[in-house]
Amino acid sequence: DIQMTQSPSTLSASVGDRVTITCRASQSISSWVAWYQQKPGKAPRLLIYKASFLQSGVPSRFSGSGSGTEFTLTISSLQPDDFATYYCQHYNSYPITFGQGTRLDIK
Amino acid sequence: EVQLLESGGGFIQPGGSLRLSCAASGFTFSSYAMSWVRQAPGKGLEWVSGIYSGDSSTFYADSVRGRFTISRDKSKNTLYLQMNSLRAEDTAIYYCAKDRAAAATTGFECWGQGTLVTVSS
Repeated sequence: DIQMTQSPSTLSASVGDRVTITCRASQSISSWVAWYQQKPGKAPRLLIYKASFLQSGVPSRFSGSGSGTEFTLTISSLQPDDFATYYCQHYNSYPITFGQGTRLDIK
Repeated sequence: EVQLLESGGGFIQPGGSLRLSCAASGFTFSSYAMSWVRQAPGKGLEWVSGIYSGDSSTFYADSVRGRFTISRDKSKNTLYLQMNSLRAEDTAIYYCAKDRAAAATTGFECWGQGTLVTVSS
């Protein structure tokens, strides 16, 4: 199975900061990566698919990049609504797996 | 508006069975791949099972293969997850998720609100 390793596990930042979350795959997965945001008590929300494509309705401050084994999610200027947990996911092959999550806290 | 509404969760003893349902509306259910994703209390996301549109090919996580069965009834716009031989480690919120595509997984663009399954003696 392909393992997805996210870093950091926790990130503290302030409104207006630029933040980057990294996800590393245990083998090459081309660009078959998605990123999700989850708030407490809520279902996840798709932000990015195919590594860099912004899902409809998602603010443009979110962006994704990478291919092969290294992927990043960047938030260009943090807004109060962005404090949440973020997950990467590969869909290169079955079984699909998620990263362990990155909790983004207010500093 | 796309909506997914899960039901069927509850409290069950180890070794028991449950069937989860996910009623879909607001889109052509028969045209999209669907999946179940679970989240144990305080833990991360775990993909459980998926089913394609068209040929209804099915896929499972190693942790549930042979115990869980995914299916869909296109006439009822409903996705199912039959869960047998339940274990304590199956305790989780189970989410139904709609894929962006028909015959592949390309990102789960819509999720239900989840249904809680608790396996305990």
